[in-house]
Amino acid sequence: DQQVKQNSPSLSVQEGRISILNCDYTNSMFDYFLWYKKYPAEGPTFLISISSIKDKNEDGRFTVFLNKSAKHLSLHIVPSQPGDSAVYFCAASLTGNQFYFGTGTSLTVIP
Amino acid sequence: SAVISQKPSRDICQRGTSLTIQCQVDSQVTMMFWYRQQPGQSLTLIATANQGSEATYESGFVIDKFPISRPNLTFSTLTVSNMSPEDSSIYLCSVVGQGPYEQYFGPGTRLTVT
Repeated sequence: DQQVKQNSPSLSVQEGRISILNCDYTNSMFDYFLWYKKYPAEGPTFLISISSIKDKNEDGRFTVFLNKSAKHLSLHIVPSQPGDSAVYFCAASLTGNQFYFGTGTSLTVIP
Repeated sequence: SAVISQKPSRDICQRGTSLTIQCQVDSQVTMMFWYRQQPGQSLTLIATANQGSEATYESGFVIDKFPISRPNLTFSTLTVSNMSPEDSSIYLCSVVGQGPYEQYFGPGTRLTVT
């Protein structure tokens, strides 16, 4: 049973425009959400996170939005840069003891 | 941040054989995690390895198939035993990071079983 879903396997965006990556989850008990970025032949690297008690967290060009009623979170990248081209995974945690990852969205930023 | 290395980076193995994957961290850590990412699938936690105790396996994973060693605070191994083509995956180790629930991942081991 997939508790965290990323329904878009790929996304292409023009350089300078906004990239929006989406993630849905089913378990309302998740208390923390994270986004990871993965380049080929490398492991995922942490990008940004948000606690379930918040609805927005911003770090430079990256903003994560959480809509608990819809069980939905999104990652906004503004402006998008070619170096942002990677696979992005969302993840959800239950008290830090269990982690559930989505299947990833491959972002391509076109120069 | 922790620097994590894994060996081998990739391997092609025959059905029925076993492969041991090594994970080395540049600092001492209490908990290490082993994940699997099958083609087109999400990262799935196999087990949590604490130094000095038995690994804790997630549902669907058993010690006979995926034995884990954790001899010290910087090193762990995962063995994939009696392999079948369904074991073809990327295997990643990770450790807890600085932020809440954040993890640092190794580069992964790409395993292909023929």
